[in-house]
Amino acid sequence: EPEVTQTPSHQVTQMGQEVILHCVPISNHLYFYWYRQILGQKVEFLVSFYNNEISEKSEIFDDQFSVERPDGSNFTLKIRSTKLEDSAMYFCASSVGGNYGYTFGSGTRLTVV
Amino acid sequence: SQKIEQNSEALNIQEGKTATLTCNYTNYSPAYLQWYRQDPGRGPVFLLLIRENEKEKRKERLKVTFDTTLKQSLFHITASQPADSATYLCALDRRGSQGNLIFGKGTKLSVKP
Repeated sequence: EPEVTQTPSHQVTQMGQEVILHCVPISNHLYFYWYRQILGQKVEFLVSFYNNEISEKSEIFDDQFSVERPDGSNFTLKIRSTKLEDSAMYFCASSVGGNYGYTFGSGTRLTVV
Repeated sequence: SQKIEQNSEALNIQEGKTATLTCNYTNYSPAYLQWYRQDPGRGPVFLLLIRENEKEKRKERLKVTFDTTLKQSLFHITASQPADSATYLCALDRRGSQGNLIFGKGTKLSVKP
């Protein structure tokens, strides 16, 4: 069964450093998403991406965050200057369409120290 | 205020019984409601999607109902097995949203042999 692949699985970074989280969505999916989950809390929406542009973003997704689809397969989330409160599990997801279920990756655990 | 609540944090049942999980929402107009399974340290796995004009959806041992009058969805697992033990998440997809799923906190189901 096709999978969404995320790398790295764990990332530890110093506060103030930039991190880039990588995702390879399912090849025939057109919609891409980033979500995050702080330990013990709900899964929260960050951003959706379609047709090479952001469709919707949440209040969490401020100027420190950006997304890119640099080629036909990768989808990245960049955090420019990490803060302690950015520590969370970050999930990439993709879907065929807006009214279909999402396929989530296994996540990147980001720890900011 | 807008809320999505999964009434039980934890549900313990005996193998072979039917597990019923509840998801209630207020002040949302969902176009769709989705159910996911999440295992510890893993990403959510899509199970079922039900549209606002559908009353019931089934897939193998799973059944979802959606009552927009009561603002409630019920998720049933029949003939439950220990392998069904996981956290189950409901997620609202609002009308007009572009991938911004609103997740509940989840119900942790434990199925005892």
